[in-house]
Amino acid sequence: KNQVEQSPQSLIILEGKNCTLQCNYTVSPFSNLRWYKQDTGRGPVSLTIMTFSENTKSNGRYTATLDADTKQSSLHITASQLSDSASYICVVSEASGGSYIPTFGRGTSLIVHP
Amino acid sequence: DARVTQTPRHKVTEMGQEVTMRCQPILGHNTVFWYRQTMMQGLELLAYFRNRAPLDDSGMPKDRFSAEMPDATLATLKIQPSEPRDSAVYFCASGVGISIDTQYFGPGTRLTVL
Repeated sequence: KNQVEQSPQSLIILEGKNCTLQCNYTVSPFSNLRWYKQDTGRGPVSLTIMTFSENTKSNGRYTATLDADTKQSSLHITASQLSDSASYICVVSEASGGSYIPTFGRGTSLIVHP
Repeated sequence: DARVTQTPRHKVTEMGQEVTMRCQPILGHNTVFWYRQTMMQGLELLAYFRNRAPLDDSGMPKDRFSAEMPDATLATLKIQPSEPRDSAVYFCASGVGISIDTQYFGPGTRLTVL
């Protein structure tokens, strides 16, 4: 069964510090991996989408990495800001002839304190 | 700037009642997705459409849920009859493709079934 595991479940850091969130998956065959940011009471917002051939992708202070061999991804947040407080969700899609077959992680809840 | 809109934002209803949720995708987007999010299950894909045609609704309880796109500017998700276990936040997302394209989420409809 396809699974996506995110760690840690929750994280508290001080403003200005860096942090790294992890996503391990068993989805096969692999199509792509997405990271979303979800603020409380809002819909998820796409941060990055990576395919098999991509190792790193950045979006401002967010940098995602992908190791397709070990089936691991990380999301690194640089110089955190209070507005980074949110849930970060990893979604891995299975390759299936153009269909969309996602498996969702349960998310990491990040709190940035001043 | 272009956004996915959803109505209503909140809905409280009693068990057995019909619930209809509406979504207006971003103009020009030809793919629409319906998701459900709960604390227990996290995010789940319910159904998705391309060019108004349903491509997959395997994530929906068939006996009570139905999803349609009457036209390119309106997608609906209907629950009849509703049950307390349907209480969740329902998100609509739109995009220009299916497998590796960015999805833009609406703000969600928070449904409470008493």
